[in-house]
Amino acid sequence: GAGVSQSPSNKVTEKGKDVELRCDPISGHTALYWYRQSLGQGLEFLIYFQGNSAPDKSGLPSDRFSAERTGGSVSTLTIQRTQQEDSAVYLCASSRRTGNTGELFFGEGSRLTVL
Amino acid sequence: TQLLEQSPQFLSIQEGENLTVYCNSSSVFSSLQWYRQEPGEGPVLLVTVVTGGEVKKLKRLTFQFGDARKDSSLHITAAQPGDTGLYLCAGPFYAGNNRKLIWGLGTSLAVNP
Repeated sequence: GAGVSQSPSNKVTEKGKDVELRCDPISGHTALYWYRQSLGQGLEFLIYFQGNSAPDKSGLPSDRFSAERTGGSVSTLTIQRTQQEDSAVYLCASSRRTGNTGELFFGEGSRLTVL
Repeated sequence: TQLLEQSPQFLSIQEGENLTVYCNSSSVFSSLQWYRQEPGEGPVLLVTVVTGGEVKKLKRLTFQFGDARKDSSLHITAAQPGDTGLYLCAGPFYAGNNRKLIWGLGTSLAVNP
């Protein structure tokens, strides 16, 4: 597609349930990022994939969070046993550049609400 | 402690006014990026500054990179309601063998008609 696509755009779930958020990056972009953004706040880095290299998972807040990127393209962010503090907008971005410094192209985000 | 400090955090002005927002650090950055995020959207890159002292203009927006490459500013002339959004700066930071993109917390701008 022309841009980064994320789904679902909105997700409401009950505390304790698992959720999966999907990101389809721009074709040909080797770098993929997940960020979390609370209302009106800046971006909290979660995880970074670059080609076939081991992902940088240093931003994942707990072991309830995991992400994978299959075939170097689509990525799924999974949150297990969701908590109310997980409520936020989850943004995915992709980049052509290597080295975690190039221009990032963002999707519109998945807004997660945990009741 | 934020590596990139943005100020002010919030700014509400009337249409037609001028404004400047800042992105400051005690560390040197090889480059800095400015993004604008509108409500319900993801951030969109406005500009990348790479040379100390560099000034880049994008219509009514003027971006400056400090001589020491530790700070940057964004000046908007004759602000319009369409300029409303969250302005974020970001820059690459080296920590050991890792290179990460560091983000400021942003300046939330509201331009009232």
